[in-house]
Amino acid sequence: EDQVTQSPEALRLQEGESSSLNCSYTVSGLRGLFWYRQDPGKGPEFLFTLYSAGEEKEKERLKATLTKKESFLHITAPKPEDSATYLCAVQGDFQKLVFGTGTRLLVSP
Amino acid sequence: DVKVTQSSRYLVKRTGEKVFLECVQDMDHENMFWYRQDPGLGLRLIYFSYDVKMKEKGDIPEGYSVSREKKERFSLILESASTNQTSMYLCATLGPGYEQYFGPGTRLTVT
Repeated sequence: EDQVTQSPEALRLQEGESSSLNCSYTVSGLRGLFWYRQDPGKGPEFLFTLYSAGEEKEKERLKATLTKKESFLHITAPKPEDSATYLCAVQGDFQKLVFGTGTRLLVSP
Repeated sequence: DVKVTQSSRYLVKRTGEKVFLECVQDMDHENMFWYRQDPGLGLRLIYFSYDVKMKEKGDIPEGYSVSREKKERFSLILESASTNQTSMYLCATLGPGYEQYFGPGTRLTVT
């Protein structure tokens, strides 16, 4: 059974304090690993897809990396507007997207 | 940009009522999905559809049904709403790289 575990559950940073979020996964035949951002009361917003180990994607202050067992979302010099819940999901051979429960990030000014 | 819209942002219904949640997409995507999201449980797949009039059960289909009469529209139906169906409901479509695009969500409260 495909599984996704995200850590930490919650993270509080000062503005400018860089850190990383972790997504550990087990999947049968990885078709893609996805990162989403979700603001309170809204639907998840697609950020990145990673397809194979060693791949990296960047968008503004965010950088996602992938190994065979985990993915990291690195946040460099975060700003308060980066505060949100970040969700990780994998799609394997069963073609269903399996989500983690997310990391709640709070960036204080 | 992909646009996925849902008919209501907030909905309050009484126990036993039949509830319709509608989702419309404008990107001509084949696959559409309905999830519910609850604190501590994450997103759980209710139903999905890979073509008009085609549907497949997800992980938690009990108490729900779906309808897909047109490619752009996917409806979730709660046959007889119960309080344990109070949740955030999210519709999504599948993009060409397997990424899913979500609507804004419907916060349903059943009293």
